[in-house]
Amino acid sequence: EIVLTQSPGTLSLSPGQRATLSCRASQSVSSSYLAWYQQKPGQAPRLFIYGASSRATGIPDRFSGSGSGTDFTLTISRVEPQDFAVYYCQQYGSSPLTFGGGTKVEIK
Amino acid sequence: QLQLQESGPGLVKPSETLSLSCAVSGDTIDSSSHYWGWIRQSPGKGLEWIASIHYSWSISYNPSLKSRVTMSVDTSRNQFSLKLSSVTAADTAVYYCARVGNGLDYWGQGTLVTVSS
Repeated sequence: EIVLTQSPGTLSLSPGQRATLSCRASQSVSSSYLAWYQQKPGQAPRLFIYGASSRATGIPDRFSGSGSGTDFTLTISRVEPQDFAVYYCQQYGSSPLTFGGGTKVEIK
Repeated sequence: QLQLQESGPGLVKPSETLSLSCAVSGDTIDSSSHYWGWIRQSPGKGLEWIASIHYSWSISYNPSLKSRVTMSVDTSRNQFSLKLSSVTAADTAVYYCARVGNGLDYWGQGTLVTVSS
């Protein structure tokens, strides 16, 4: 099983700042099958990034994903008020599918 | 627009079987190359993948739950289902169904299932 470790656990930022979220895998993620999700309270997760770097439909270009192998990053170039939420990474290249523990992006 | 909707009892007694269904609209399960899956989230916790099924009945399980999980697909009703046996309080969670595409690209709104006597 691939274990995903996200850091930091919480990121405190002011609107307009840059956010850098990390996801590290215990072994190489096959074919960069790495996704990022945003979850707000009381809502289902929403796919933001797939294939490590491809934005899902409707996701603004201030969100970008990068990385390969065991190290992946989600970057928000300038955080906007609606971006404060919890972000999860997930690998879907091998079974079982696994999620990271999440990074909470909160208002400073 | 693809939509998924979970349904099932919100309260299950310990040792009994949790049963949920997911109705799919906007896509046809048996014409799709996708898998369809279940994910859960315990209160205040992270996400846990349970299992995924293809309409051909190919199923992939989380090993930690495999012995208690049964998945099925009903192409006539365009839905798929989950059964989790011998539940305990640790199975209390919001259960989501989702389409497995490039990532989990469509999700249901989730349904809270509480295990309590």
